[in-house]
Amino acid sequence: NAGVTQTPKFRILKIGQSMTLQCTQDMNHNYMYWYRQDPGMGLKLIYYSVGAGITDKGEVPNGYNVSRSTTEDFPLRLELAAPSQTSVYFCASSYSPWEQFFGPGTRLTVL
Amino acid sequence: DAKTTQPTSMDCAEGRAANLPCNHSTISGNEYVYWYRQIHSQGPQYIIHGLKNNETNEMASLIITEDRKSSTLILPHATLRDTAVYYCIVRDSYSGAGSYQLTFGKGTKLSVIP
Repeated sequence: NAGVTQTPKFRILKIGQSMTLQCTQDMNHNYMYWYRQDPGMGLKLIYYSVGAGITDKGEVPNGYNVSRSTTEDFPLRLELAAPSQTSVYFCASSYSPWEQFFGPGTRLTVL
Repeated sequence: DAKTTQPTSMDCAEGRAANLPCNHSTISGNEYVYWYRQIHSQGPQYIIHGLKNNETNEMASLIITEDRKSSTLILPHATLRDTAVYYCIVRDSYSGAGSYQLTFGKGTKLSVIP
């Protein structure tokens, strides 16, 4: 199993540009999550999904959108990039509440 | 979810046991204690969790005090690869919508020294 994969690994955006961060898991987990981690800080939940077609906001959803059309994929969309969205983005998935599997992260810089 | 308090940083000699404390004095009866770690530039990794009893797996042991107000994560023989930030998280596993969220604080930076 590849686990949780994220693309791209790195990206530089200009202010106002849009992009989609991709996340795929091959563990057949119903639950998927997007977190962001700012330098020197802990992770903050952006959005999560409890199954295909069902998504909900986390702690810091402003400026982001998500969709969950399949069990495997949970893309995160940034519509109008702002410098405040410079961060490392982690996708995770889980079957049980105890063990979330995280991807390697996407490092995004908005200039 | 109950608030947790962890030391900002700790050092441990390679080969010795690393004992990482966590205070969670406001924990309620149905809240679990979870431990994750994050090695530099990688995604977090689940280590262990527990409710009341002490737990052990291939990575670590979790000791929870009888009053459940604090816990200790033990890495029995720390190696250089255990250098990471360790997060103690307390949460209710079944609280309806959103119950599977994990709230990460700043954690404890463990440095394993040769």
